Amino acid sequence: GNSVTQMEGPVTLSEEAFLTINCTYTATGYPSLFWYVQYPGEGLQLLLKATKADDKGSNKGFEATYRKETTSFHLEKGSVQVSDSAVYFCALIKAAGNKLTFGGGTRVLVKP
Amino acid sequence: EPEVTQTPSHQVTQMGQEVILRCVPISNHLYFYWYRQILGQKVEFLVSFYNNEISEKSEIFDDQFSVERPDGSNFTLKIRSTKLEDSAMYFCASSPMENQPQHFGDGTRLSIL
Repeated sequence: GNSVTQMEGPVTLSEEAFLTINCTYTATGYPSLFWYVQYPGEGLQLLLKATKADDKGSNKGFEATYRKETTSFHLEKGSVQVSDSAVYFCALIKAAGNKLTFGGGTRVLVKP
Repeated sequence: EPEVTQTPSHQVTQMGQEVILRCVPISNHLYFYWYRQILGQKVEFLVSFYNNEISEKSEIFDDQFSVERPDGSNFTLKIRSTKLEDSAMYFCASSPMENQPQHFGDGTRLSIL
């Protein structure tokens, strides 16, 4: 079946540091890939998406590129802020599907 | 920006009791979902709903669970006889079409005593 694996946290960074959260997936065909973010006390918010190989999703300074050859969708941000402290979830929807399969989430803590 | 709303934010229920979790999806969305997250575990898919019927459900979604769209705006999840292991955060989501990004509510924390 489909699965998503992401690096375990917590990840602790200083403000303005570079952030990478690794995400790899297992799926047949060409799934759509997503990153969701959950700020403390809130629900899941869509951060970015990519629907086909080599697509780059970007939003709020975050980027992720759909790499079919390595089945990866790593999340990056060049300079994090304290307000980026949250839990980040990588997820996929299989082609012609509607069920999100999530990774385990990675907690990121940015210190001033 | 339109959003998915869920009520209540926290529900405490005795084991064996029925509970109904409520959601108002985004108004022009056609697909509706429930997910749950047990503390410290992954977010898990429960069920998807389209055109007034279940389109997909997981193994978790057994006979104790049901979903309903009783009117044009609400989407509910009912657990008939709650168990301790039903304690979790339950998220409702909606999307305009299949395979489109899903928009989530803030969740209902269900605590079974």
